[in-house]
Amino acid sequence: DAGVTQSPTHLIKTRGQQVTLRCSPKSGHDTVSWYQQALGQGPQFIFQYYEEEERQRGNFPDRFSGHQFPNYSSELNVNALLLGDSALYLCASSSQGGVYGTEAFFGQGTRLTVV
Amino acid sequence: EDQVTQSPEALRLQEGESSSLNCSYTVSGLRGLFWYRQDPGKGPEFLFTLYSAGEEKEKERLKATLTKKESFLHITAPKPEDSATYLCAVKSYSGGYQKVTFGIGTKLQVIP
Repeated sequence: DAGVTQSPTHLIKTRGQQVTLRCSPKSGHDTVSWYQQALGQGPQFIFQYYEEEERQRGNFPDRFSGHQFPNYSSELNVNALLLGDSALYLCASSSQGGVYGTEAFFGQGTRLTVV
Repeated sequence: EDQVTQSPEALRLQEGESSSLNCSYTVSGLRGLFWYRQDPGKGPEFLFTLYSAGEEKEKERLKATLTKKESFLHITAPKPEDSATYLCAVKSYSGGYQKVTFGIGTKLQVIP
């Protein structure tokens, strides 16, 4: 089992550009959540996808959007990049099954630098 | 709104000096409390899940406990390789779906 995989691992973009980050969940998991982690901070919840729809959203602007595909993989898109978008972007997969679902397993993250 | 507060923000220990990290939480409909270890520039690594007050889990030098308002991560006789940031998170049930909220973490440094 490859676990949660994210691509790319590092990315440098210019202010105003758009970026797409990708995530493949752990086998058997149906839910993908995205987090932004600034240096020295805990992960901040961006949104969660289940059954190809956004089910929960954190306090992030509409510049942040996503998608989930039928195979449960997911993309995170950020438009009109700002310097403050520079962070480690983490993808976590879990399962909604049962009362408690499962714990979330994380990928290694994508380090986005906006210059 | 769910809230998770971790303390202290940073902790420096001598090798072998046991201590505890605290995670206090406010959440409606708790579906689990998680502890993760995160090394610099890497994704969080899952350690424990606790579901109900009184529950305890152990792994090597780490032991996690849970009450109705907080959780503790006890580190017994730590080694330098235990140096990392330890994150606490809670899963809640809201709007028909589950959501995870993280604390900012405790950065642990173990000095040889």
